[in-house]
Amino acid sequence: QKEVEQNSGPLSVPEGAIASLNCTYSDRGSQSFFWYRQYSGKSPELIMSIYSNGDKEDGRFTAQLNKASQYVSLLIRDSQPSDSATYLCAVNWGFQKLVFGTGTRLLVSP
Amino acid sequence: ETGVTQSPTHLIKTRGQQVTLRCSSQSGHNTVSWYQQALGQGPQFIFQYYREEENGRGNFPPRFSGLQFPNYSSELNVNALELDDSALYLCASSLRIGQGNEQYFGPGTRLTVT
Repeated sequence: QKEVEQNSGPLSVPEGAIASLNCTYSDRGSQSFFWYRQYSGKSPELIMSIYSNGDKEDGRFTAQLNKASQYVSLLIRDSQPSDSATYLCAVNWGFQKLVFGTGTRLLVSP
Repeated sequence: ETGVTQSPTHLIKTRGQQVTLRCSSQSGHNTVSWYQQALGQGPQFIFQYYREEENGRGNFPPRFSGLQFPNYSSELNVNALELDDSALYLCASSLRIGQGNEQYFGPGTRLTVT
C-alpha cells in the first residue's frame, strides 16, 4: 500500500515568517513529487513539482526532496495571509495515479 | 491556453440513481485522471484515461466507469449511487510524455447523494 503522510495541522505562522510543510512517503520507487494548494471549497492548484534530490526554488516557494529519507518538504518564505490554505503533498508512480496525503492546513495571521 | 473545465458544478442525486460527470482537458493534454475527494481528505485516484483506454484504476468498484473521447474530453459515470459517494469529484489533465506527469485539476463537481 503506497502511503503519503502529512501532519494535518493547523500550522500557524505570523505574516512574514517562513512556513515549513513536511511530507513522508512509503514507496522508494516513487519518481515524482508535487505540492498542491487548496483553498476551502476550491480544487487543488499545482504550485511545485520536484523530481531530483535537493532543492527547487520558485519565487517564495522552495521544495526539498530527500529520496534516501523518503521525505519531501515545502518552504514558504515571507508568508502572507493569502497563503492560508490546505497544502497537499502528492507522489506519482509512473504515468498513473497521484497518491495524496490528507493535507496540512496553514494559517497565516496578519 | 484553455484550462480544465468540468460540468456540472453541483449535483444532487438520490440513492440508487446514476450520474454522469463531464470533463474537458486542458489544451494540448492527452491524459485525463479522475479523483474523489471526501471532506477533510486528500483526493483518491479513481482511474486514468489515455488514448481512449483506461490506464490504471484505483480501489473503486465497477459501478464507477469512464470514457475518453477522441478530443481527450472524458466522462465519469457512477451507477447505483450510495450515500458515501457524496464528495467532490475532480478531473485532472496531463500530457503523458517523459517524466513528470504534472496534473492540473478542474474546478470539480460537488455531488450530494441523499
